[in-house]
Amino acid sequence: QQPVQSPQAVILREGEDAVINCSSSKALYSVHWYRQKHGEAPIFLMILLKGGEQKGHDKISASFNEKKQQSSLYLTASQLSYSGTYFCGTVYSGGGADGLTFGKGTHLIIQP
Amino acid sequence: DAMVIQNPRYQVTQFGKPVTLSCSQTLNHNVMYWYQQKSSQAPKLLFHYYDKDFNNEADTPDNFQSRRPNTSFCFLDIRSPGLGDAAMYLCATSRVAGGVDTQYFGPGTRLTVL
Repeated sequence: QQPVQSPQAVILREGEDAVINCSSSKALYSVHWYRQKHGEAPIFLMILLKGGEQKGHDKISASFNEKKQQSSLYLTASQLSYSGTYFCGTVYSGGGADGLTFGKGTHLIIQP
Repeated sequence: DAMVIQNPRYQVTQFGKPVTLSCSQTLNHNVMYWYQQKSSQAPKLLFHYYDKDFNNEADTPDNFQSRRPNTSFCFLDIRSPGLGDAAMYLCATSRVAGGVDTQYFGPGTRLTVL
């Protein structure tokens, strides 16, 4: 069962902030965030593990609310290079699977 | 420094003609994954290896097979490609299993079926 991402798409001006959400109906063990540009491989952004945590990397940060089974990715002061499709990939608790189940993605367009 | 290498980057095959895609890694990771990504869709896990242990996803068609002859290499065999198998095939690796470690993706092989 695929996690649900929202919004499906967002258009921003350079310098604006964005939030991308990922929610699951099943208990999550970990959430992995990736950015993918057209025709390229997904690039790893960060991983959040069960236990509820928040991570940050430069102007990109994320939170994981274990109780709500959801994660959010925060993009601050967006840059043109942030454009792309953002995917959350989930690993479910007790699922016995190591591969990621990806959401449908959020298309982010940053305009000058 | 290449870490996860996929060959070829582009593959064209004919309907029904077997094709093999290759993935190699210089990270010495224990786990290797194959994902299929169709146009404008999310990557979908086909199967993965933990060392030599093969794990197939329940909904992966029998048409897809995989081999991992050693730690560094993993192959995806499509026995009889159909038009619906046209996609980007992504190989990924992680150091450990359990969903606790980063998965590093290769550049992908884009498969066209004529």
